[in-house]
Amino acid sequence: QVQLVESGGAVVQPGRSLRVSCAASGFTFSNFNFHWVRQAPGQGLEWVATIWFDGSKTYYPDSVKGRFTISRDNSKNSLYLQMTSLRVEDTAVYFCARAEYGEMGSNWFDPWGQGTLVTVSS
Amino acid sequence: DIQMTQSPSSLSASVGDRVTITCRASQSIGTYLNWYQQKPGKAPNVLIYGATNLQSGVPSRFSGSGSGTEFTLTISSLQPEDFAIYYCQQSSSSLYTFGQGTKLEIK
Repeated sequence: QVQLVESGGAVVQPGRSLRVSCAASGFTFSNFNFHWVRQAPGQGLEWVATIWFDGSKTYYPDSVKGRFTISRDNSKNSLYLQMTSLRVEDTAVYFCARAEYGEMGSNWFDPWGQGTLVTVSS
Repeated sequence: DIQMTQSPSSLSASVGDRVTITCRASQSIGTYLNWYQQKPGKAPNVLIYGATNLQSGVPSRFSGSGSGTEFTLTISSLQPEDFAIYYCQQSSSSLYTFGQGTKLEIK
């Protein structure tokens, strides 16, 4: 079955770096665009990054641009999020999600992984 | 960036009630609007995509409407498993944004 499994979450100090991963199975990974979405404790959802199926294009909101880098390894069916210069406000559960497309250009996130917790604290 | 605003932020209702949640976009997004349901400790799941299309496997009591800047999610007859947080999301721009969420609680 289609599955996304995140890993790599940890407790890190402010200013340090961390890479989280997302392992995909049950479908042809290289055919799909992917996203990272985060959720701070008790808060709503925030889109963090998007990468095209071939890695040729990436997108970020201003809140993480220049600090976070999304990448993928299609030979390993894996998605990554490299986070640098981490801040306390980056504390969140990080979800990976596959991009789905329908008619007339509609697009949505499905499925999602279970998430991995990143805590930034001194 | 496109801002998404949901109302209400929270809602108390009873099993069997009809419930409507509204989502407004800061600029026209056509029908590039999705709705997600999230239960505690779980990842979100898509309910509606393209403003009106029911995701496969989602009960028909869920429906979506709207276009441009105003959208609604309607649950025709609340079931116990529907108590959760609901988020709208615009997918018109490559810079995706979510609404702040609506918490649906049991009255």
